[in-house]
Amino acid sequence: QVRLVQSGAEVKKPGASVKVSCTASGYTLTGHYMHWVRQAPGQGLEWMGWIKPQSGDINYAQKFWGRVTMTRDTSISTAYMELSRLTSDDTAVYYCARDEGSGWYPDYWGQGTLVTVSS
Amino acid sequence: SYELTQPPSVSVSPGQTARITCSGDALPKKYAYWYQQKSGQAPVLVIYEDNKRPSGIPERFFGSRSGTMATLTISGAQVEDEADYYCYSTDTGDNRRGVFGGGSKLTVV
Repeated sequence: QVRLVQSGAEVKKPGASVKVSCTASGYTLTGHYMHWVRQAPGQGLEWMGWIKPQSGDINYAQKFWGRVTMTRDTSISTAYMELSRLTSDDTAVYYCARDEGSGWYPDYWGQGTLVTVSS
Repeated sequence: SYELTQPPSVSVSPGQTARITCSGDALPKKYAYWYQQKSGQAPVLVIYEDNKRPSGIPERFFGSRSGTMATLTISGAQVEDEADYYCYSTDTGDNRRGVFGGGSKLTVV
């Protein structure tokens, strides 16, 4: 069965960067795009972007241009999301979510990674 | 930027029909998707491409789309359906940038 396992919780200081990993099993990473979505405490879901693992092509939400980098390592079936220049507004649970195929919508989700930004 | 608008809350009694709406200017040309998120859990896809149910989703979940509005209908809502529901679609054009609605809290009591 499809499974996405994310890295553990992180605490970062303002101005730092965070890199979250998402390891896929039960399917071939290169066969499906991977979305990243975040959710601030008590707030709704926010789409951040996707990566096409086969080629490395990316599609970021305009809000995150210049601060987010999505990469992958196909040899270990893992996708990564790095967010830089963190502020307290970036405190959120970050989810990876497999796309159904070609970047249109997420179907399976990881368990989420809590990133806390605090001085 | 493109937005999808949902009511913040919907409340029904067990066994009643719950309807959650989602409006967006691009919906006449874009599919709508619906996710259920229970407290402390990751979202789960309950409707894709307007009205299709993934395997394992109960038949009481029904999706529809007309013009600029998509609707999630839960016929005979159960207590276990109490959750936040988010609509999702893609931005205008072919850029495949995703957007979520603000979410609707469904209370079944």
